Amino acid sequence: QKEVEQDPGPLSVPEGAIVSLNCTYSNSAFQYFMWYRQYSRKGPELLMYTYSSGNKEDGRFTAQVDKSSKYISLFIRDSQPSDSATYLCAPKHDYKLSFGAGTTVTVRA
Amino acid sequence: DSGVTQTPKHLITATGQRVTLRCSPRSGDLSVYWYQQSLDQGLQFLIQYYNGEERAKGNILERFSAQQFPDLHSELNLSSLELGDSALYFCASSVATSGGTTQYFGPGTRLLVL
Repeated sequence: QKEVEQDPGPLSVPEGAIVSLNCTYSNSAFQYFMWYRQYSRKGPELLMYTYSSGNKEDGRFTAQVDKSSKYISLFIRDSQPSDSATYLCAPKHDYKLSFGAGTTVTVRA
Repeated sequence: DSGVTQTPKHLITATGQRVTLRCSPRSGDLSVYWYQQSLDQGLQFLIQYYNGEERAKGNILERFSAQQFPDLHSELNLSSLELGDSALYFCASSVATSGGTTQYFGPGTRLLVL
């Protein structure tokens, strides 16, 4: 069993839709929960992160963590074609990021 | 642009050969990380250096090695290359290692082993 499970999709939505992405993890030592966005042929870039359980909002993006169920979510509101990318969850313990497989999202204009 | 640079962008070589990938971290960042991204394994942590010293090892093969130089740039050496080593290799850097410290990723080196 992988340490972080993420449905690779792909996910295709119309512009303006809400995109819902999620991961599950097995290591209870994870304390920071990152979401990275990776455009085709580019390096991953950090979107946002949360510490421990709870919600965090940044513009159109909301990250949620439920440590009791080991479940991580990212919501994108009012999705735009420019949001088309691969989204990777990456829980962190100490120095180490453990990446999910990434979900490829396409937002159709 | 993350501020992390990697060279070369693309590398095509043959099985059994040895290659060196180079990474320059963001100005002020002391920590460098190497990752391998392949279609079947996803993004895998290989190794981390902090201020010239190896700090942590992940899923790095014995045929692979890395070092960080006094000017903080890092090199990843891949030897006795196999077809399965074909992947994207990313370098990331951060100012520290713990907590919510952000790792900034470079554009990657795409390695193709024929």
